[in-house]
This record gives sequence, structure tokens and C-alpha cells, in this order.
Amino acid sequence: DTAVSQTPKYLVTQMGNDKSIKCEQNLGHDTMYWYKQDSKKFLKIMFSYNNKELIINETVPNRFSPKSPDKAHLNLHINSLELGDSAVYFCASSRGAWDHQETQYFGPGTRLLVL
Amino acid sequence: AQSVTQLDSQVPVFEEAPVELRCNYSSSVSVYLFWYVQYPNQGLQLLLKYLSGSTLVKGINGFEAEFNKSQTSFHLRKPSVHISDTAEYFCAVSSSNTGKLIFGQGTTLQVKP
Repeated sequence: DTAVSQTPKYLVTQMGNDKSIKCEQNLGHDTMYWYKQDSKKFLKIMFSYNNKELIINETVPNRFSPKSPDKAHLNLHINSLELGDSAVYFCASSRGAWDHQETQYFGPGTRLLVL
Repeated sequence: AQSVTQLDSQVPVFEEAPVELRCNYSSSVSVYLFWYVQYPNQGLQLLLKYLSGSTLVKGINGFEAEFNKSQTSFHLRKPSVHISDTAEYFCAVSSSNTGKLIFGQGTTLQVKP
């Protein structure tokens, strides 16, 4: 069983389109995250949710909107896609939000290419 | 503000040779330090972490790291690498007042036969 899963694995789309990436974790964790990894492999946090509540919201364009229907799911919706959105997006989860010692468990990534 | 610097973007090494991947951090408060590994086309997985206590931390796959507070470093070492260790390695830092994990730029370890 995959601990943190993401769909789709690959996403190729045109500029201006709207797309969603889904993430699910079966670890029973309370906290989930979205990260963006750029072409130079630099990894930066975008959002974090704890028990469906937004706790981290980095400087990310408003076109990006996370949604957490329950604590096992955190989806990422992107409106009006731009070329610069091309990247690998990773979902992750951890046991707690306020205990920053916790290990984060990462999904396999979604490779987004905007043409 | 916290930051992490990985001093080498690429480290080529021959199989069975020792390796050290360097990581320095800056922070005005106590930190927690992590090393994650990313194999090609996969997500990240934890190698080891330093929270407190002994400064020498042992992780999976024969890796270890040493926390040096005076030098603000957390270098990763392995005495003998295998081809299968070829991957991207990320050093990361968090603390009780940041609420997030801050990653370094990554170091590509290339193990050659």
C-alpha cells in the first residue's frame, strides 16, 4: 500500500488551462503539505494543512488554491496555468503540525508541463 | 530567518569509496536537522535526523551525519558507497518557531563503477 499517493503522475497541458492534482495519505497523519520542485531541483513549501485547516500559506500566486476535504486528502487546484508553473509538485504528510521534529513522508510527485 | 547551504552541487565518487556531503545552516534559534534522499523520479525519503542529544546520528543505508553547533554544520557521510546510492541528497532545517521545513539546494551524488 502506498503511504502518500498523488494523481496524476504526469500532467501536460496548455497555458491558460485549469488543472487539479490530488493527494491522499493512508498513514493517519494530521498534517499535509504541498511542495514545488523547480527545474534546478530546489524544493520549496507552498501550503500546509493540519486537520483540514490551513496553517502555512507561502507567497504563492492566488491561482493556486489548496483544498482539504478531510485530513487524509489535500488537493491542489491551479487556475490559468502559466509556463512558469512547470515543475514537479510533491505532496507530503507528517504526524503533527506543531512538533517540527516529525518526519515528513513524500508522495512520488506530479510532473507538470505547461506548453 | 533560517537558511541551508549545501556546498557542493555535484559529488562524483567511485564505488566503495567514502563520501561526505556538506551542509551548513544559519539560525538564531535551536534547530532540528534532516537529510532526505531523492532517487530518480521518486519522492523524498528520510535518511536521518538530528533533534537533540548525541551529535553523531546514524541513518538508513549506512549513512551517518554529525551535528556541529560551533560550525553550524550537519555533514552527511558514508564510508563506502554503492552504485545504488546515486541520487539527490537534500539537507533541511526546521525549528519550533518557523513551522516549516527549509531545504538546501540539493547535492547530486554520482557513484561510478
